[in-house]
Amino acid sequence: AQSVTQLDSQVPVFEEAPVELRCNYSSSVSVYLFWYVQYPNQGLQLLLKYLSGSTLVKGINGFEAEFNKSQTSFHLRKPSVHISDTAEYFCAVSDLRRGSARQLTFGSGTQLTVLP
Amino acid sequence: DGGITQSPKYLFRKEGQNVTLSCEQNLNHDAMYWYRQDPGQGLRLIYYSQIVNDFQKGDIAEGYSVSREKKESFPLTVTSAQKNPTAFYLCASSIVGGNTEAFFGQGTRLTVV
Repeated sequence: AQSVTQLDSQVPVFEEAPVELRCNYSSSVSVYLFWYVQYPNQGLQLLLKYLSGSTLVKGINGFEAEFNKSQTSFHLRKPSVHISDTAEYFCAVSDLRRGSARQLTFGSGTQLTVLP
Repeated sequence: DGGITQSPKYLFRKEGQNVTLSCEQNLNHDAMYWYRQDPGQGLRLIYYSQIVNDFQKGDIAEGYSVSREKKESFPLTVTSAQKNPTAFYLCASSIVGGNTEAFFGQGTRLTVV
């Protein structure tokens, strides 16, 4: 079984400031890791993913995340946020087993609010 | 453009009625999924299917049913047995295995009145 913990439900930050959204996971098997963004009343859009290789992953809109296997973390960062980054952000994991479907286990989400 | 289409965007249902949510994809994905989203709880898996005519229960399947008669389509029926059906429902699809992610539709907001 897998679980995902997003440590902050709400993160307010001023425009142009840096931000970090925290995500920890637990799993008995190797996993893929994802960050998705959701704008109000819309579906989820992939920000970035870690499948293998370099532990620093760059995504869309200037976001990046670092996979830390020893700490089982996958924190999302952006050096300078914009008003348009206001949205809900979800961390998710997926089983790495070959031939399996990509059913995801999600964290409870972090609402990022960028203040002018 | 390839993608996932969910319809309708908003749906109202009277208590005791069954209702079916539509999900269609033209990404040629074998796997499809239904998730339920409630405020503060993230997304929870209802059902998923890896191949036509086969599907598996997710974490919260009670009160829901699905079918997978075509690769492109994975409709979800919310039955009267579902105690708290008001929620935002998201459909997704992906390839099976491989280095890729799941793609999501725009969601259907179901309200019981």
